[in-house]
Amino acid sequence: NTKITQSPRYLILGRANKSLECEQHLGHNAMYWYKQSAEKPPELMFLYNLKQLIRNETVPSRFIPECPDSSKLLLHISAVDPEDSAVYFCASSQEEGALYSGNTLYFGEGSRLIVV
Amino acid sequence: GDSVTQTEGQVALSEEDFLTIHCNYSASGYPALFWYVQYPGEGPQFLFRASRDKEKGSSRGFEATYDKGTTSFHLRKASVQESDSAVYYCALGSNYNVLYFGSGTKLTVEP
Repeated sequence: NTKITQSPRYLILGRANKSLECEQHLGHNAMYWYKQSAEKPPELMFLYNLKQLIRNETVPSRFIPECPDSSKLLLHISAVDPEDSAVYFCASSQEEGALYSGNTLYFGEGSRLIVV
Repeated sequence: GDSVTQTEGQVALSEEDFLTIHCNYSASGYPALFWYVQYPGEGPQFLFRASRDKEKGSSRGFEATYDKGTTSFHLRKASVQESDSAVYYCALGSNYNVLYFGSGTKLTVEP
């Protein structure tokens, strides 16, 4: 899916700080961060709609999202922990609040974080 | 709370076999139901969705029918190919802007 681009694709970190970036070219208003641990389904971390943080699931405070404009999403990670090793997916949908009625969520290809 | 249950954790088939992956949901009202497919190293890809009772969704030969009576949205394909090998997720769109995924079913198709 080249319409949602994420960088970097792979990241190996010690206890350092790093940011993940995402840009969507679909004209969507809602953007999400999902975390997928090994052999598990994706789990929602954050949801933005029109640059406003709408949902913040139970996520450690070392993860800080930022939405500089409606097509870009960042995830700042500080002092990573081994349990943070996972793939982080950016996703987008036309608008928030409409997944219930069938609005579709589209995913990027993910950023794989390995904590050493 | 809203949830989705996939019965099969892994399914192994041969090419041209018939596929069924069971999905049952728990939610109030008529939430939208989705199937996603995830290939290794990629993000989940939207396969299709259904939003009301008896509606059938389909794509790439896969299909599922929304059944409110049995709270199910089972995935079926008449004849699988090796290229269908992937993880399949049933998902439910909640009132609270969250897409709830089932635990996933890993499909392996042998040539």
